[in-house]
Amino acid sequence: GDSVTQMEGPVTLSEEAFLTINCTYTATGYPSLFWYVQYPGEGLQLLLKATKADDKGSNKGFEATYRKETTSFHLEKGSVQVSDSAVYFCALRKTGGFKTIFGAGTRLFVKA
Amino acid sequence: DTAVSQTPKYLVTQMGNDKSIKCEQNLGHDTMYWYKQDSKKFLKIMFSYNNKELIINETVPNRFSPKSPDKAHLNLHINSLELGDSAVYFCASSQQPSGNTGELFFGEGSRLTVL
Repeated sequence: GDSVTQMEGPVTLSEEAFLTINCTYTATGYPSLFWYVQYPGEGLQLLLKATKADDKGSNKGFEATYRKETTSFHLEKGSVQVSDSAVYFCALRKTGGFKTIFGAGTRLFVKA
Repeated sequence: DTAVSQTPKYLVTQMGNDKSIKCEQNLGHDTMYWYKQDSKKFLKIMFSYNNKELIINETVPNRFSPKSPDKAHLNLHINSLELGDSAVYFCASSQQPSGNTGELFFGEGSRLTVL
């Protein structure tokens, strides 16, 4: 079945460090790929998305590129801030489908 | 205006009790969901309704019963609560039809603690 695997956390970085959170997926067809972020005490919110191969999603300095050849959608940010501390979820959804499949989440701590 | 709102935000109750969580969305979306998030932050889909019709019903004990009186509301009723039901329950909505990426809009969550 379809699945999403992302790197285990927690990831602890100093402010202004480079961030990568790895995400790979298994799916038939051509799913849309998402990164959601959950700040402490809040619900998830969409961070960025990509709908086809080689698309790059970007938002708030975060980027991820849909790589069909490696079935990956790694999240990157060049310089993290303390306010980026949160749990990040990689997810996929088949176009027209109703089910979004989430990875296990990666907790990020950024120290000042 | 909150797009997806759920109540109550916190719920503390005894084992064996029955409780409900309510969800409303004002985004005009066709599809609504209930997700359960455990203490390790793992998210599991429980139910989904599209235009008041149940379309996803994952392996969930039948003590859990969703109800959608209209497409803007999706409630979750839980009978005979057990310790393992303690979790954060998230309501979400998305827009279909086919062709849309179906990104999810989440409520703030309802933290259920069963003692």
